[in-house]
Amino acid sequence: EAQVTQNPRYLITVTGKKLTVTCSQNMNHEYMSWYRQDPGLGLRQIYYSMNVEVTDKGDVPEGYKVSRKEKRNFPLILESPSPNQTSLYFCASSRTGGSPLHFGNGTRLTVT
Amino acid sequence: AQRVTQPEKLLSVFKGAPVELKCNYSYSGSPELFWYVQYSRQRLQLLLRHISRESIKGFTADLNKGETSFHLKKPFAQEEDSAMYYCALNPVGGTSYGKLTFGQGTILTVHP
Repeated sequence: EAQVTQNPRYLITVTGKKLTVTCSQNMNHEYMSWYRQDPGLGLRQIYYSMNVEVTDKGDVPEGYKVSRKEKRNFPLILESPSPNQTSLYFCASSRTGGSPLHFGNGTRLTVT
Repeated sequence: AQRVTQPEKLLSVFKGAPVELKCNYSYSGSPELFWYVQYSRQRLQLLLRHISRESIKGFTADLNKGETSFHLKKPFAQEEDSAMYYCALNPVGGTSYGKLTFGQGTILTVHP
């Protein structure tokens, strides 16, 4: 089944403890991206990648890192999480930068 | 920089009534515009994109470049249309292609 898979679905951590949220797609899509969803603010793009080894900042990249070493994977790394990064995170992929997005199920992160 | 505004956080209508979800944008170039929908307990998914000019689930949206709007309309709302709706813009022609901007989202509730 064609899909975008994020793990974990839920994560509770403490301030400063490095974490990684994984994202994988099996559709051979070139484009992948990360978003956070916050009440009243909608979806905001964190980072995006147009292809392997090509990444760029979205609107809210501070405090996050990404890498795109393989086409199928696009992990989101929080080197030193802070409480203001408590949010619902979505990964998405698409065939190209202009194609419709396929979203993952989301990861609910709580940083205490 | 581009911007997407959905002025209504919440919208309630009765079944069978017309519904219009507003989306206004600002972008100096030629945008690609999308509507995404998130039903309860489901992933975000594409509803419409302006270049395809399709009608999906009875919804239509017309790009009005003069008013910089991309409102989503349905003549007769159904209870199953209750969901969160996001308008999104992809800046075409610039170096930020793929850097999507989403609106704040509108929660539509259709009452029986």
